[in-house]
Amino acid sequence: DVKVTQSSRYLVKRTGEKVFLECVQDMDHENMFWYRQDPGLGLRLIYFSYDVKMKEKGDIPEGYSVSREKKERFSLILESASTNQTSMYLCASSSNEKLFFGSGTQLSVL
Amino acid sequence: GNSVTQMEGPVTLSEEAFLTINCTYTATGYPSLFWYVQYPGEGLQLLLKATKADDKGSNKGFEATYRKETTSFHLEKGSVQVSDSAVYFCALNQDSSNTGKLIFGQGTTLQVKP
Repeated sequence: DVKVTQSSRYLVKRTGEKVFLECVQDMDHENMFWYRQDPGLGLRLIYFSYDVKMKEKGDIPEGYSVSREKKERFSLILESASTNQTSMYLCASSSNEKLFFGSGTQLSVL
Repeated sequence: GNSVTQMEGPVTLSEEAFLTINCTYTATGYPSLFWYVQYPGEGLQLLLKATKADDKGSNKGFEATYRKETTSFHLEKGSVQVSDSAVYFCALNQDSSNTGKLIFGQGTTLQVKP
């Protein structure tokens, strides 16, 4: 069974902290994505990666960075967390337009 | 730019009722269209897709037809069950390269009561 695993289901951080959200996929997919999900706004793309060490900005990259050192792992980094980054973060990988999602990380920034 | 608009939720239905969730899109070219479903506490999963005009996607009793003339991709099911309670997202692909880079609608919550 295909799997995208996000390291934490719930995370609470303080304003100004550096935050790492980790995502691992076991399907050998080249494409990986980070979305954030907010009520009434649906999913918005933060960053995506087409290959190891290759990344491109999505629609809302401000305040975020990413790292992809290995094909199976895609990390989202909040350099200095702010309260407006409180959200559900979803990682996904894709094969032929089909996205496979992790269960999400609910991040609260206090 | 490309965009997706879904009907506002929540939608509350009784078991065995007919379901329609409206979705319209704005796009250049001929994007593929998708419906994803998110059950409580889970990530999204693909429900169905259609890749060209007049295509009908179907899965688990759900159907949606790609209507280019009305730029719509409405989701329907003839008889809903309590287990269909979830959030439904309409989406289209942002480019033609089949990478999975999608634009999502805002999501519609469906609650089915016994």
